[in-house]
Amino acid sequence: GENVEQHPSTLSVQEGDSAVIKCTYSDSASNYFPWYKQELGKGPQLIIDIRSNVGEKKDQRIAVTLNKTAKHFSLHITETQPEDSAVYFCAASDVIGNRDDKIIFGKGTRLHILP
Amino acid sequence: DAGVIQSPRHEVTEMGQEVTLRCKPISGHDYLFWYRQTMMRGLELLIYFNNNVPIDDSGMPEDRFSAKMPNASFSTLKIQPSEPRDSAVYFCASSLNRGYEQYFGPGTRLTVT
Repeated sequence: GENVEQHPSTLSVQEGDSAVIKCTYSDSASNYFPWYKQELGKGPQLIIDIRSNVGEKKDQRIAVTLNKTAKHFSLHITETQPEDSAVYFCAASDVIGNRDDKIIFGKGTRLHILP
Repeated sequence: DAGVIQSPRHEVTEMGQEVTLRCKPISGHDYLFWYRQTMMRGLELLIYFNNNVPIDDSGMPEDRFSAKMPNASFSTLKIQPSEPRDSAVYFCASSLNRGYEQYFGPGTRLTVT
């Protein structure tokens, strides 16, 4: 089955600097890679996702890159702001095949934006 | 739409008692997921349904846990009997289809004493 490793577990970044969170996956059949943000006391919320036919995707200050050969993908947040402080989860799944594959989440990264 | 609705938001119970968590998914979503979140284990998928049918329950920790989805707008997760190690936040999520965004509810914080 799929295994997703995420690091670092905790990241502190000065406001205005960039933050990078990295994930690796084990199942080469995985083709869908979402990133979720969880604020305190709330459920996770999708912030960006990427599919295996794309190498990079951007949405304002957030970007995700995917390296299928190396089986790793990363979340990049530029010009960090206090509201970016949260726990971020990466995930991987095969959503094209017939296996009805379930999504596997990484353990999460707690991001602190320092004033 | 009000989003995914979970009840109760907080539950405190004594060991050995039965606990029932409830979820109303977003209307029109075909997939429903139950997750458990703890500091030690992170976010774990317990079970998911497609069109009210359980597809994968391999994440259910043991026979004390059971989940049902009697119709498209309601699901329950039951723990009987509950144990202190079941203390966690339980999330319900729904999605339109595979490969689509999962919408999470606010969670139920369960404390078993």
